[in-house]
Amino acid sequence: NAGVTQTPKFRVLKTGQSMTLLCAQDMNHEYMYWYRQDPGMGLRLIHYSVGEGTTAKGEVPDGYNVSRLKKQNFLLGLESAAPSQTSVYFCASRDKGVRPQHFGDGTRLSIL
Amino acid sequence: AQSVAQPEDQVNVAEGNPLTVKCTYSVSGNPYLFWYVQYPNRGLQFLLKYITGDNLVKGSYGFEAEFNKSQTSFHLKKPSALVSDSALYFCAVRDNTDKLIFGTGTRLQVFP
Repeated sequence: NAGVTQTPKFRVLKTGQSMTLLCAQDMNHEYMYWYRQDPGMGLRLIHYSVGEGTTAKGEVPDGYNVSRLKKQNFLLGLESAAPSQTSVYFCASRDKGVRPQHFGDGTRLSIL
Repeated sequence: AQSVAQPEDQVNVAEGNPLTVKCTYSVSGNPYLFWYVQYPNRGLQFLLKYITGDNLVKGSYGFEAEFNKSQTSFHLKKPSALVSDSALYFCAVRDNTDKLIFGTGTRLQVFP
């Protein structure tokens, strides 16, 4: 049981480039989340999804887009990367009810 | 506004001594509270949660947390710290839109 898998683990981009981060979960969870973690700021929610085909904005959605075409996958896109998007990105999923979120091991993204 | 505060950036404790990591919250209605731990280069791992009932909640790895409604606190505790407990700890509260709000994290350092 792999849980939550994030691809890639590391990436370096130049300003203005685009990329997509992939999150896959094998627990049949309805809810999925994308966070960014920056020093001293904890985790901030970027976008989330409450089910296949649905997405919603979180606390810091600007500059990011998401898609949830399949229940097990949640994609985070950066259309035009900026240095301020240098961060560690975490994906999480959870089941219905008051259940804990399960996290992937993160994608470390540097924008030069 | 709903929020979580972790007043200490770092907590230092000697191995074998009891440890406490503090968390206070502000939320409308009944709080659903969580503690997570993050080891280097890993995602967050769930430790324990409080939904209702007994104010003392037991979790993974010998950790427990005490819910105090009058002080709006949910402090994480362990009777005897281990060097392997050294990590980053996050408190979180579920808001009224079913999303988690995380504190900024407390780094626990256990010295041999």
